[in-house]
Amino acid sequence: DQQVKQNSPSLSVQEGRISILNCDYTNSMFDYFLWYKKYPAEGPTFLISISSIKDKNEDGRFTVFLNKSAKHLSLHIVPSQPGDSAVYFCAAHSGGSNYKLTFGKGTLLTVNP
Amino acid sequence: DAGVIQSPRHEVTEMGQEVTLRCKPISGHNSLFWYRQTMMRGLELLIYFNNNVPIDDSGMPEDRFSAKMPNASFSTLKIQPSEPRDSAVYFCASKWGELNTEAFFGQGTRLTVV
Repeated sequence: DQQVKQNSPSLSVQEGRISILNCDYTNSMFDYFLWYKKYPAEGPTFLISISSIKDKNEDGRFTVFLNKSAKHLSLHIVPSQPGDSAVYFCAAHSGGSNYKLTFGKGTLLTVNP
Repeated sequence: DAGVIQSPRHEVTEMGQEVTLRCKPISGHNSLFWYRQTMMRGLELLIYFNNNVPIDDSGMPEDRFSAKMPNASFSTLKIQPSEPRDSAVYFCASKWGELNTEAFFGQGTRLTVV
């Protein structure tokens, strides 16, 4: 039973355009959400996060949107750059004393020059 | 800080052999996680420790897997005996504090069991 789902295994966009990566979750106890980026042969690196009390968080070219009623979040990258090409993982945390992060399977983003 | 350090980076072993993966978390972090990445299942949490104590090992696939954290600066994940289906990339991650802080990952150990 996958509680965090990234239904698009891959996404290809042109440099300068917007990239939109989507993530759905099923566990209503999740209260904190993170996006990680992963390059080949490296570990995932933290990109941006959002608390369930917010619906938007922005950091430079990266914006995460949260729709709690739909149990859906998305990561927007504007403008996309070739260096953004990587696997993006959505992760969720259920709060309390549970430190566990549950990850989606990831979406491979390719930004074409 | 050098970040989370894992060793070895690559390990090739024969089926039935014991494999030990090592992790040094970031100094000051009090939670440590072991994840396994495969194509089929993505990033799975195997076990995590808080203040060196195992909190949740429900993700450990079977008794062949064991993990220890003898002190705040070192953890091991052992597979004995190893099987070909254990082939995957194993990541260690650490974080500080409770709740809403991000975890920092090591570069991973790519394990191949032949």
